[in-house]
Amino acid sequence: AQRVTQPEKLLSVFKGAPVELKCNYSYSGSPELFWYVQYSRQRLQLLLRHISRESIKGFTADLNKGETSFHLKKPFAQEEDSAMYYCALSGRGGDDKIIFGKGTRLHILP
Amino acid sequence: DAGVTQSPTHLIKTRGQQVTLRCSPKSGHDTVSWYQQALGQGPQFIFQYYEEEERQRGNFPDRFSGHQFPNYSSELNVNALLLGDSALYLCASSLTVNEQFFGPGTRLTVL
Repeated sequence: AQRVTQPEKLLSVFKGAPVELKCNYSYSGSPELFWYVQYSRQRLQLLLRHISRESIKGFTADLNKGETSFHLKKPFAQEEDSAMYYCALSGRGGDDKIIFGKGTRLHILP
Repeated sequence: DAGVTQSPTHLIKTRGQQVTLRCSPKSGHDTVSWYQQALGQGPQFIFQYYEEEERQRGNFPDRFSGHQFPNYSSELNVNALLLGDSALYLCASSLTVNEQFFGPGTRLTVL
């Protein structure tokens, strides 16, 4: 079964502290993994994808195929990071529908 | 470029009615995908249109249908509305596989 699991509904972190949003997936094959973010009153937007190996707004995510995880990390949280974060996966070879997790709300405390 | 646009913003219907939601893709994009996002859930894939044909479909009943026009815009139709169809409906457009850009959504309330 194709599934994305985000175990935390809400994560509260103090400003300046490290952030880790957990994501585990189930997929037969080699999926593409993504993190999407939705800031207050804004539309859903792509934050990063594993094939790009980029750091966006200080966030990174490493694909661990052995543990089927794609956790999102940032060493020092900022107040503007408060948002809803969705982990997602997509197939390859034309099967590009995106399967989303239920999301984690990240709340940065001052 | 305004990006992906959707109309209407909000909609209220009663059970049994039919509804049509509209989406204009980002300039240059030829593929449109539709998602349903229930309260507290992540978006769920409904279907995808490319070259005016349904290319992929998620686990949704036939009450959910769509259309893509020659200008790549798209419509989502839902017949015989149920209370459980109340959700935010998102449209996403793309040109290359996996680069999907989302619209602001249409909030549908079924009473």
